Amino acid sequence: DIQMTQSPASLSASVGETVTITCRASENIYSYLAWYQQKEGKSPQLLVYNAKTLAEGEPSRFSGSGSGTQFSLKINSLQPEDFGSYYCQHHYGTPIFTFGSGTKLEIK
Amino acid sequence: QVTLKESGPGLLQPSQTLSLTCSFSGFSLNTSGMGVGWIRQPSGKGLEWLAHIWWDDVKRYNPALKSRLTISKDTSSSQVFLKIASVDTAETATYYCARMVGGPWFAYWGQGTLVTVSA
Repeated sequence: DIQMTQSPASLSASVGETVTITCRASENIYSYLAWYQQKEGKSPQLLVYNAKTLAEGEPSRFSGSGSGTQFSLKINSLQPEDFGSYYCQHHYGTPIFTFGSGTKLEIK
Repeated sequence: QVTLKESGPGLLQPSQTLSLTCSFSGFSLNTSGMGVGWIRQPSGKGLEWLAHIWWDDVKRYNPALKSRLTISKDTSSSQVFLKIASVDTAETATYYCARMVGGPWFAYWGQGTLVTVSA
């Protein structure tokens, strides 16, 4: 099974800062990676799919990059509504779609 | 407007079968490229994909749970069902259903339903 290693587990940042979250796959998943945001007590929300395609309605300060085994989600100019947890998920063509362990982004 | 809503028993005992229903609107599972999946999340923990079903009735299961999972759909009533046999207390979690369109990523999620497994 493909394992997804996400880092850091937690991150503290201030409004206006730029942060990067990374996700590493245990084998080549090409560009088959999605990113989700989850706010406390809410359902996850799709941010990016196919590694770098921004989901409909999502602000352009979110950007995804990477391919193969190394991926990242960059958030430019953090806004108060960006704080929460972030998960990567591979959507490669195997039966199982593994999520990363998550990154909790907190206000400094 | 796409909406999904999960429903379940709330509380059940270990070894029982968990039956979940996802009722959706704003799309049809008869449409090519459409799918619905189930994901769960124990309180304070991460996400675990369970299963999904496509418009053409292709089904995929998490191999770790495959022997206990059954996913099905009723396109006429716009519902997708998931059964998990022989549940354990460790399966206490919020269970979500989510829509897939054009690819296996979850673009729309329901609000989730909390299922507690306890004797």
